[in-house]
Amino acid sequence: DAGVIQSPRHEVTEMGQEVTLRCKPISGHNSLFWYRQTMMRGLELLIYFNNNVPIDDSGMPEDRFSAKMPNASFSTLKIQPSEPRDSAVYFCASTAGPGNTIYFGEGSWLTVV
Amino acid sequence: GEDVEQSLFLSVREGDSSVINCTYTDSSSTYLYWYKQEPGAGLQLLTYIFSNMDMKQDQRLTVLLNKKDKHLSLRIADTQTGDSAIYFCARRRDDKIIFGKGTRLHILP
Repeated sequence: DAGVIQSPRHEVTEMGQEVTLRCKPISGHNSLFWYRQTMMRGLELLIYFNNNVPIDDSGMPEDRFSAKMPNASFSTLKIQPSEPRDSAVYFCASTAGPGNTIYFGEGSWLTVV
Repeated sequence: GEDVEQSLFLSVREGDSSVINCTYTDSSSTYLYWYKQEPGAGLQLLTYIFSNMDMKQDQRLTVLLNKKDKHLSLRIADTQTGDSAIYFCARRRDDKIIFGKGTRLHILP
């Protein structure tokens, strides 16, 4: 299996631009998570989906952030408009369900200048 | 306080044992995990323990769980330079997995 696939791996964008991060979970996994990692705050859970339905988005920082999962094999995290404080590594992860291992992608390294 | 707490740094001499500690607040956590993150990479699951276990051993890794004190530890025997990384403690309840800030393990020659 290819594992959790994220794109882009690296993105540098200007403040105010829209950023879209993409994730393909492992086939057969029914839960998908978006995390953000910064030095100051560590790993924060932003949102997670079960069977394509958002279950808990309490970690989404503000309305500029949105996430979708239109089908079982694809999810997006969008930031519009982006700000320098959004600079972080964004990880997508998936799991087959409670009690199963959660697998992480390699991350999308976002820099907003 | 934080949901999952770990010390941020640990320095250990090569060949010695490393012990990374973690405390958590949610006593209803079902699984507790240790993940490893190398520079520029994602998180890799090292090991996990179910909440009704006290100890789990896997080659050089030993996990100890004190459920009463909500304390989890990871011991790495015979620490090698390749063990240099950030180690994350995490707890799971249902579908939600919450991570600590990570402990950066530095290996001294």
